[in-house]
Formats: sequence, structure tokens, C-alpha cells
Amino acid sequence: DAKTTQPPSMDCAEGRAANLPCNHSTISGNEYVYWYRQIHSQGPQYIIHGLKNNETNEMASLIITEDRKSSTLILPHATLRDTAVYYCIVRVVRAAAGNKLTFGGGTRVLVKP
Amino acid sequence: GAVVSQHPSRVICKSGTSVKIECRSLDFQATTMFWYRQFPKKSLMLMATSNEGSKATYEQGVEKDKFLINHASLTLSTLTVTSAHPEDSSFYICSARAGSGNYEQYFGPGTRLTVT
Repeated sequence: DAKTTQPPSMDCAEGRAANLPCNHSTISGNEYVYWYRQIHSQGPQYIIHGLKNNETNEMASLIITEDRKSSTLILPHATLRDTAVYYCIVRVVRAAAGNKLTFGGGTRVLVKP
Repeated sequence: GAVVSQHPSRVICKSGTSVKIECRSLDFQATTMFWYRQFPKKSLMLMATSNEGSKATYEQGVEKDKFLINHASLTLSTLTVTSAHPEDSSFYICSARAGSGNYEQYFGPGTRLTVT
């Protein structure tokens, strides 16, 4: 699976949009971009995923560049409960791959009042 | 969404003893389960992958005789840390995948192990 690069940390203001970048310049054509987050002392929580089109759900939006070498997770109105480590992962989704999720360092997001 | 539970959520054991952690898929059958370990302020590291009814596949550097994994049913996997030492103190997280075309992984809440 391709490697991802994320900033180690970022702060954002409560109520404002949080834009979390992820670089995955070696992504292959059959690899998806996944985002998870981990609140302190909890298991990871799935947020969103996409292949090449932008995606939106009740938690966030995912913007993938046209060349698919980078993406941005957008939390539209950050709350204090969004304080967590956010992981961007790219992976092939097929049975033979075992579907292992390989976690990088992630971005530690602190939402401030 | 699919729910994965872990038991216990916290455990303290003495050095040299063994401790078992359970991972259950509550509302789906998990053909594959994964065990991760996470040290403070570090990312999750995959320890092993287990398929129901088969032997687990361990990642490089993970001792299979120390971390015994059993996946005897489609809803339960166990991780036994044998002869635990203080350096085994960590946050252990399992995840489960349903299979049958559903390749998503659902994570448990984690188990905090402290070895004294």
C-alpha cells in the first residue's frame, strides 16, 4: 500500500472549518484514500473514503486532487469533540490483499475554543 | 454501523502471568480479525491477522509464541499475552472485517494492559 504524509499536528478554532491535508504521491490506480480518527484512549473511528471523486457524509468531506496525489479532509464546523489524531491511509480494497490497514503518524488535531 | 467490542477494557497483571483479551463482532460475522498494539503517543502497529479457523499470520518482529491468537468462531478472537512483562504494557486494539464483499474494517474500543 502507498505511503502517506501528513503534518504532525494542527490547531483549529471551534466552529471553523478544519482542513487536513494528506500527500500520497505514489498512490496506485486501484488504491482508495481512507480517513480514520482516534480520540484519546479509544479505537479508531472510520470517517470517509474515496477513490477519485470527492465524497461527503455527515461527518466530513473528502477532496481528492485530479491526479490523486493528495487529498484534503474537511471538517466543516469543528467542535471540541473533534480533537483527535486523524489518519490518512491509502489501500487496495480486495480480498487477496488481506485488507490490512497500515497506520502512519497521523495529524494530531486540537480544536480550541 | 458494525460494532466490535473488547473485553476487558483495562487490565493490570503481574509480571510473568498471562492475560487474555477478547474481541467480539456483535452484529456481523467476522471472517478476518486484526490485532494492533499502540504505545503512548505512537501510531497503531499491526501485530497479526487471523482468519476464522486458520492460524494467525504475524507481522515481522511479533513473537507468535508470546502473543497467542485464537479465532475459533466468526464472532470471537482472543489475544493471549503470555508471560507478560512491563514492556508489554500497551493499548491493544482489535478490528474485524466481515468479508463476503464487505472489505471494511471495524475497530474495537481497545484494551489497556498494564504489567506491573
